[in-house]
Amino acid sequence: DAKTTQPNSMESNEEEPVHLPCNHSTISGTDYIHWYRQLPSQGPEYVIHGLTSNVNNRMASLAIAEDRKSSTLILHRATLRDAAVYYCILLRNSGAGSYQLTFGKGTKLSVIP
Amino acid sequence: GAVVSQHPSRVICKSGTSVKIECRSLDFQATTMFWYRQFPKQSLMLMATSNEGSKATYEQGVEKDKFLINHASLTLSTLTVTSAHPEDSSFYICSARVGFGGNQPQHFGDGTRLSIL
Repeated sequence: DAKTTQPNSMESNEEEPVHLPCNHSTISGTDYIHWYRQLPSQGPEYVIHGLTSNVNNRMASLAIAEDRKSSTLILHRATLRDAAVYYCILLRNSGAGSYQLTFGKGTKLSVIP
Repeated sequence: GAVVSQHPSRVICKSGTSVKIECRSLDFQATTMFWYRQFPKQSLMLMATSNEGSKATYEQGVEKDKFLINHASLTLSTLTVTSAHPEDSSFYICSARVGFGGNQPQHFGDGTRLSIL
């Protein structure tokens, strides 16, 4: 699996935007970029995913660099409920077979009231 | 939508007991289901992958006779920890996905915290 690199931790003030970076310099052309988050004592939650273009959904936005070697998850207004570990994961699409999410250490986001 | 229900949420039992954990996709049919284990302050580790009606594929180092996986239908998978010992105490999380492509999100249950005394 292509590896991703994320900062161990980040802090944000409540109601401010948060930009969570992820480097994936060895990404291949068909790898999807997935983001998940895990709140304490819960299973992970799907946040967003994309391939080349920027993506928006009700939870967040995903900005993908033109060369796809990095991406940024954007939370537009952080709330206390957004405090979690955020995982950036590459998922390979070869059209068949099994696709496994391999979790790294992620970024622990703390939100300050 | 895309809800995965996992039961029970917490189990405390004596050493030597076998424990079964259920994972259901409530509003979709899961092509593939996954089982993960997470120790305190660590990330999730994939234990096995299973497709409906097929035998599970276990990750290296995971004993298939210890962790029995049954994926009987497109909405139900079970993990049985046989003859559990204290070292099996962990947070077990199931996950389900529709389809095989990288363009499909994976949906997770809320986990089962297993404590073996």
